[in-house]
Amino acid sequence: NAGVMQNPRHLVRRRGQEARLRCSPMKGHSHVYWYRQLPEEGLKFMVYLQKENIIDESGMPKERFSAEFPKEGPSILRIQQVVRGDSAAYFCASSPGLGSGEKLFFGSGTQLSVL
Amino acid sequence: AQTVTQSQPEMSVQEAETVTLSCTYDTSESDYYLFWYKQPPSRQMILVIRQEAYKQQNATENRFSVNFQKAAKSFSLKISDSQLGDAAMYFCAYRSPTQGGSEKLVFGKGTKLTVNP
Repeated sequence: NAGVMQNPRHLVRRRGQEARLRCSPMKGHSHVYWYRQLPEEGLKFMVYLQKENIIDESGMPKERFSAEFPKEGPSILRIQQVVRGDSAAYFCASSPGLGSGEKLFFGSGTQLSVL
Repeated sequence: AQTVTQSQPEMSVQEAETVTLSCTYDTSESDYYLFWYKQPPSRQMILVIRQEAYKQQNATENRFSVNFQKAAKSFSLKISDSQLGDAAMYFCAYRSPTQGGSEKLVFGKGTKLTVNP
């Protein structure tokens, strides 16, 4: 059973470009979380999605950031018109939901570097 | 809003010795979950140990154990018989009781643990 798969592992963008980060949850998991880790910081919650629904986006910046988890395919975190401050590691985690407690599995993250 | 504080940015320990990493948190809730995650250089977040607030007994997983002091809102991690492979960033995390299935975590800033041979 493959774990949470994130790609790309490293992504370099110039200011103003778009960044698309992909996350394939573990098989059987229908709940996806995105976190951002700035340098020297802990992970900060961004958004929680279930298939085709955004459940909690309280941690998402109001502009330029969006997320989706379609019925088919991976979850996508999209950052438009990237700025240097967006440089960070972005982690995806998945769970089967329904109060699964510790059954939250993390991917290895995508390191976004904005030049 | 809940907050998690790790007051030790860095710690070091000799191989085979014991080290304790500190974590305090702030919450007005009475029921919640606490976690310690390990992040090695590979960046993979690995769950080390989990504690439910309603349980008085401290959680233990092999060489890892916690000292959970609910009244003091303290949740320290003790690593016994430290091994070179324990070297990593360690993050303390808090989770509210499940609301709508949400597993949203609040993380501290982490403690970098170095294990000296």
